[in-house]
Amino acid sequence: KNEVEQSPQNLTAQEGEFITINCSYSVGISALHWLQQHPGGGIVSLFMLSSGKKKHGRLIATINIQEKHSSLHITASHPRDSAVYICAVRSDSNYQLIWGAGTKLIIKP
Amino acid sequence: DAGVTQSPTHLIKTRGQHVTLRCSPISGHKSVSWYQQVLGQGPQFIFQYYEKEERGRGNFPDRFSARQFPNYSSELNVNALLLGDSALYLCASSSHGQPYTEAFFGQGTRLTVV
Repeated sequence: KNEVEQSPQNLTAQEGEFITINCSYSVGISALHWLQQHPGGGIVSLFMLSSGKKKHGRLIATINIQEKHSSLHITASHPRDSAVYICAVRSDSNYQLIWGAGTKLIIKP
Repeated sequence: DAGVTQSPTHLIKTRGQHVTLRCSPISGHKSVSWYQQVLGQGPQFIFQYYEKEERGRGNFPDRFSARQFPNYSSELNVNALLLGDSALYLCASSSHGQPYTEAFFGQGTRLTVV
């Protein structure tokens, strides 16, 4: 079993829909990252969370430390949101990033 | 201020050759980490360097090595290339090696081994 599991693996939605991507982890962490990767490879850090909730524009990230679960929400989705969204946790034992496999999101106009 | 820069952006090598990938972190950042991302998978941790010292190493063979220079830039070296080394190699920089530090990523170097 992977230490970081994301769901769904693939998600296709219509423009304007509310999007939720989930991340569950099984290790002790000091922080959790949500990142966005566009075709071509560049990775952009969206959020770093250690508790609670963060919001940036149409993006919202939450984390429940007790349940070892985080969600990334996108409100009023737009085709430009199409990308791979990756959850990565920073281990509290060796401080390295452990990555999920990513969720490929396609927003259709 | 420039972000994390990696060079080259694309590279084609032949099996058995050697390759050197380069990364310049954000100005003021002292930690550089390297990741390998095979097509369709999440990135895998290779190395972390902080203040020119290796702070962590992932489960990669000794063909992979890295170093960090006094200006905090870093090189990743891979010897005796195999077809399976074809991947996107990502570099991330952070201000220090502490657990709550946000990481910033470069665009990556896409290595193709033929």
